[in-house]
Amino acid sequence: EVQLLESGGDLVQPGGSLRLSCAASGFTFSGYAMTWVRQAPGKGLEWVSGIGGSGDITYYADSVKGRFTISRDNSKNTLFLQMNSLRGEDTAVYYCAKRGSRGTNTNPVGYFDRWGQGTPVTVSS
Amino acid sequence: DIQMTQSPSSLSASVGDRVTITCRASQSISDSLNWYQHKPGKAPKLLIYVASNLQSGVPSRFSGSGSGTDFTLTVSSVQPEDFATYYCQQSYSAPLTFGGGTKVEIK
Repeated sequence: EVQLLESGGDLVQPGGSLRLSCAASGFTFSGYAMTWVRQAPGKGLEWVSGIGGSGDITYYADSVKGRFTISRDNSKNTLFLQMNSLRGEDTAVYYCAKRGSRGTNTNPVGYFDRWGQGTPVTVSS
Repeated sequence: DIQMTQSPSSLSASVGDRVTITCRASQSISDSLNWYQHKPGKAPKLLIYVASNLQSGVPSRFSGSGSGTDFTLTVSSVQPEDFATYYCQQSYSAPLTFGGGTKVEIK
């Protein structure tokens, strides 16, 4: 059974940093692209970043480009999101998700068939 | 970036009603359109991928159609467990983008 478990969410001050993790199990992790999606309070889903299966391809939303870095450790089946220079508008529940199998599994441009339960990030002084 | 516009933003329906949600892309995205269901405090759930493909385990009352710029999610007979927010997402090009969501509420 595919499982995705996010961790690392916390209360952090504006300008601070946080590293989110997503532990994956139940599938060949390196064979699939992964993504981070967030939902701010009272708002809809917002795509944040995606990474290819080997980590060679990364994409970012304009709202986080230059501040967030996505990475993965395929030996530990773990996805990361390093968040720097955090702002109030980064307050959200952050979800990791696994790419679906239609098309090229390792291409981060795709759809997402399994999601974690999310980890909350609050940026406030 | 490709903008995704969903309508309506909310709707009220009774159990057994037919519900239709539309999603429009700011440019042609072929059939690269996916639909998700999201309930508060839960993980989003994939319903339809590549415009019209039903995800495994999703009830057949859900269906998707469309291509190019205009897409539709239909629930043929809404059940109590279907009251949630629905999002479309384009997978044509990065950055990936979601529609604003459609909240389906009980009438």
